[in-house]
Amino acid sequence: QVQLKESGPGLVQPSQTLSLTCTVSGFSLTSYTVSWVRQPPGKGLEWIGAIWSGGSTDYNSALKSRLSISRDTSKSQVLLKMNSLQTEDTAIYFCTRVRRMSFDYWGQGVMVTVSS
Amino acid sequence: DIVMTQGALPNPVPSGESVSITCRSSKSLLYSDGKTYLNWYLQRPGQSPQLLIYWMSTRASGVSDRFSGSGSGTDFTLKISGVEAEDVGVYYCQQGLEFPFTFGSGTKLEIK
Repeated sequence: QVQLKESGPGLVQPSQTLSLTCTVSGFSLTSYTVSWVRQPPGKGLEWIGAIWSGGSTDYNSALKSRLSISRDTSKSQVLLKMNSLQTEDTAIYFCTRVRRMSFDYWGQGVMVTVSS
Repeated sequence: DIVMTQGALPNPVPSGESVSITCRSSKSLLYSDGKTYLNWYLQRPGQSPQLLIYWMSTRASGVSDRFSGSGSGTDFTLKISGVEAEDVGVYYCQQGLEFPFTFGSGTKLEIK
């Protein structure tokens, strides 16, 4: 069955770089797009960016200058890197599968706290 | 960016009552392929969001037929017929027409 699982550090210091991994199973990264979405504590959902089945990427313009999404198809992993982190980047980070321009499967999410 | 605006519910809602959640987009979500790229999600407390409706009115796999979506190019409604305890949570609309994908701020459903 389709599964996505996020992993990464729970705590990142301000100005440092966040690295998250999304490991997928039950589908191929060369057939489906994977996207990242985040949710600050008690707040709504924000789309971060996506890597398409062909390998191209699209990013939220508000975050684009700090963001990189890549993948390792041999490991079925999608990688998110965001630099210059600030306290407002504190959030649950979800990876999702994209189908029909909707997010049809979600990971459990990983909480990332930006604090010194 | 396309702005998504959601309405509120008169919480708490009595169990068994039907409710409608509204969502409005700042731009028509009707694409040239004839599909309207509006999606609905439910995020239960402590859980990840789950897809309920895509293309404005198509239920996702395994979603109860108590959920139905409708609308025009810019005004949308998610109807829940006969709310149950398991429907508690926050409902989000999301546009999939163009980048950046954007979500509404969410509509909370509480049940009496």
